[in-house]
Amino acid sequence: EAGVAQSPRYKIIEKRQSVAFWCNPISGHATLYWYQQILGQGPKLLIQFQNNGVVDDSQLPKDRFSAERLKGVDSTLKIQPAKLEDSAVYLCASSVTGQETQYFGPGTRLLVL
Amino acid sequence: GESVGLHLPTLSVQEGDNSIINCAYSNSASDYFIWYKQESGKGPQFIIDIRSNMDKRQGQRVTVLLNKTVKHLSLQIAATQPGDSAVYFCAENIDYKLSFGAGTTVTVRA
Repeated sequence: EAGVAQSPRYKIIEKRQSVAFWCNPISGHATLYWYQQILGQGPKLLIQFQNNGVVDDSQLPKDRFSAERLKGVDSTLKIQPAKLEDSAVYLCASSVTGQETQYFGPGTRLLVL
Repeated sequence: GESVGLHLPTLSVQEGDNSIINCAYSNSASDYFIWYKQESGKGPQFIIDIRSNMDKRQGQRVTVLLNKTVKHLSLQIAATQPGDSAVYFCAENIDYKLSFGAGTTVTVRA
């Protein structure tokens, strides 16, 4: 079974630029999560989708971050404009609806200069 | 703030010895806990989970212990191998959302 796919794996941008990350969850997983992991810390939830609907985006900085999952499968997370403090690993995870176990992708490492 | 934390940020263990990684949580309503392993440059990998109606669960070379009285859980790794070197996170699941601690970095000495 293929795992959670993410791209790109690495991205370097300058502050105030825009960036987008892509995630394809495990086939059949209706629930999708985006996490931000700052160096030396545990992942922090940004947004949770159930199919193409948002379940929880209370921790998403909506002035600069946006996410969508239009067809209920893959998802994109965008940052516009990026700040230095957005440098982190952005992790995507998915789960079967009704099950708590989340499976993570390899992450996208973002460096904002 | 974070509701899940780990007692020690680093752990150095001799190859072949057993490792014990500890985690304290503060939310008494938490009913499900997961241990993840994160190797350098990779995403967190599921190791083992436990529900609050259990106090022990065993997997392959790993055991998780849950003490609800003191809100503490631990991960025991038997016969630690070089491939066990990683950062280990405990996470509590509330309403299908994970709250992670800061992690313990395990280094295996040859």
